[in-house]
Amino acid sequence: GDSVTQMEGPVTLSEEAFLTINCTYTATGYPSLFWYVQYPGEGLQLLLKATKADDKGSNKGFEATYRKETTSFHLEKGSVQVSDSAVYFCALNTGNQFYFGTGTSLTVIP
Amino acid sequence: DSGVTQTPKHLITATGQRVTLRCSPRSGDLSVYWYQQSLDQGLQFLIQYYNGEERAKGNILERFSAQQFPDLHSELNLSSLELGDSALYFCASSVDLLSYNEQFFGPGTRLTVL
Repeated sequence: GDSVTQMEGPVTLSEEAFLTINCTYTATGYPSLFWYVQYPGEGLQLLLKATKADDKGSNKGFEATYRKETTSFHLEKGSVQVSDSAVYFCALNTGNQFYFGTGTSLTVIP
Repeated sequence: DSGVTQTPKHLITATGQRVTLRCSPRSGDLSVYWYQQSLDQGLQFLIQYYNGEERAKGNILERFSAQQFPDLHSELNLSSLELGDSALYFCASSVDLLSYNEQFFGPGTRLTVL
């Protein structure tokens, strides 16, 4: 069946370090892919999305490219900040089913 | 603030009891989703409603049910509660059914079953 597999955390980085959080998916058809972020005590909020192969989603310095050939949607940021500390979820929407990865906790230390 | 409201914020109850969680979607959104977030299972999709009708079902137990009312608010009913039902329950909404549309999440209801 359809699923999302996300890199396990927790991840701890120093400020200004490079971030990669891996996400791979299994799906029939052409799903839309998302990264959501959850700050402590809050609900999830959309970080970025891509709706078809080779699309690149970007927001707040984060980027992810929809790679159909490798079924991946890895999240990257060139220089993380303390304020990026949160839990990041990769998600897949097939139109009638919704799958989230297990979440990757990121802590950025000054 | 996502515009999605959920009540109550916290709920503590005993095993065997029944509770109702309430969600009001963003103004104009027709689709409502319910999710369960627990430490061991992650974020699991439970059910989706669109304009009052059930559209998709995920890993929702038979003890759980939901509905969406004409004013588009939704309720999730959990009955015969077990310890393992303790979790954070999120409601989300989106404008329609299209797969590329963003879901807006509420702040969640934390359910503790003792």
